[in-house]
Amino acid sequence: DAKTTQPPSMDCAEGRAANLPCNHSTISGNEYVYWYRQIHSQGPQYIIHGLKNNETNEMASLIITEDRKSSTLILPHATLRDTAVYYCIVRANTGGFKTIFGAGTRLFVKA
Amino acid sequence: NAGVTQTPKFRVLKTGQSMTLLCAQDMNHEYMYWYRQDPGMGLRLIHYSVGEGTTAKGEVPDGYNVSRLKKQNFLLGLESAAPSQTSVYFCASSRQGSEAFFGQGTRLTVV
Repeated sequence: DAKTTQPPSMDCAEGRAANLPCNHSTISGNEYVYWYRQIHSQGPQYIIHGLKNNETNEMASLIITEDRKSSTLILPHATLRDTAVYYCIVRANTGGFKTIFGAGTRLFVKA
Repeated sequence: NAGVTQTPKFRVLKTGQSMTLLCAQDMNHEYMYWYRQDPGMGLRLIHYSVGEGTTAKGEVPDGYNVSRLKKQNFLLGLESAAPSQTSVYFCASSRQGSEAFFGQGTRLTVV
């Protein structure tokens, strides 16, 4: 699986959009970008994933650059409950989820 | 639908003691995983299984053993606990090529 680079921490005002960047310059053609988050010390929670097209679900939007070397997770209206560590993961969609989670980005949503 | 359930949630062991952590999933997933998470760090894969009766080593397998006798259960054993194994342990499951679902974790302290 390709390596990812994320900023260690970010702040966001409540009600504003939170934009979390991720660099994955060595991504291969068959690798997807996945995002998870971990609130406090709970188990990681799946958010969204994509291959090359932008994706949106009820939780977030995922924007992947045309060259696929970076992506941005967007939480459109951040709330205090979105304070968490966000992990960007790149993996092929074959086999199992044997992915190593890095340190992620710690997002602080402030009132 | 409980998803992924881990037992126990907390445990304190003395150095040299043994114990087994149980993970159960009710989603009929083929793949199951055990991760550990140390303070301020991401998750590291210990062992995983691609199906009933099969197991494989992950990134940090030393000091641990696993068994998958039934598709829905994945056991993680510590034969002789060491303080370095103090951590939070997460179990997860997935279908091939799909996102992983995580349990709520087991907080283990070895004194």
